[in-house]
Amino acid sequence: NAGVTQTPKFRVLKTGQSMTLLCAQDMNHEYMYWYRQDPGMGLRLIHYSVGEGTTAKGEVPDGYNVSRLKKQNFLLGLESAAPSQTSVYFCASRVMGNIETQYFGPGTRLLVL
Amino acid sequence: KQEVTQIPAALSVPEGENLVLNCSFTDSAIYNLQWFRQDPGKGLTSLLLIQSSQREQTSGRLNASLDKSSGRSTLYIAASQPGDSATYLCAVSGVETSGSRLTFGEGTQLTVNP
Repeated sequence: NAGVTQTPKFRVLKTGQSMTLLCAQDMNHEYMYWYRQDPGMGLRLIHYSVGEGTTAKGEVPDGYNVSRLKKQNFLLGLESAAPSQTSVYFCASRVMGNIETQYFGPGTRLLVL
Repeated sequence: KQEVTQIPAALSVPEGENLVLNCSFTDSAIYNLQWFRQDPGKGLTSLLLIQSSQREQTSGRLNASLDKSSGRSTLYIAASQPGDSATYLCAVSGVETSGSRLTFGEGTQLTVNP
């Protein structure tokens, strides 16, 4: 199993450009998450999904959109990138149940100029 | 709104020392508390998960305790090694979100010197 993979690993954008980050998991997990991590801060939840075709807002959803068309994939979109979106983005997944841990991808480093 | 705080923000110790990392949370209505490890430039790896009905969990040289009523958890690392150097994050799963989401602390950056 590859676990949770993220594409791309690193990207530089200009302000106003758009892009999509891809998260894929091969563990048949129901739940998937997108977080951002900024220096000196813990992870903050952007959006999450509790199943195929469903999405929900997290703590910092503004400026991002998501889609979960297939169970194994969770896409994070930036329609018009801003310098404040410079961050490291992590995807995670887990099985259903309240006592289950999350499995994290390696992260995508995004720089918006 | 749940808030999670970790103290200290950074810690440097000599190899072989026993150490304690602290985590506190404001809302005691949790399903579980987890400790993660993050190496530089990498994702998070789960170390220990303590269910709300439990008081502690152990894995090798790691021991995590939970005092839900006081909103505190500690991660004890015995006989620290340079390979333990990493950032350690605490996260809680709250009842208010039906356990579907984690709220993270800011992390403690640990350096173990040879």
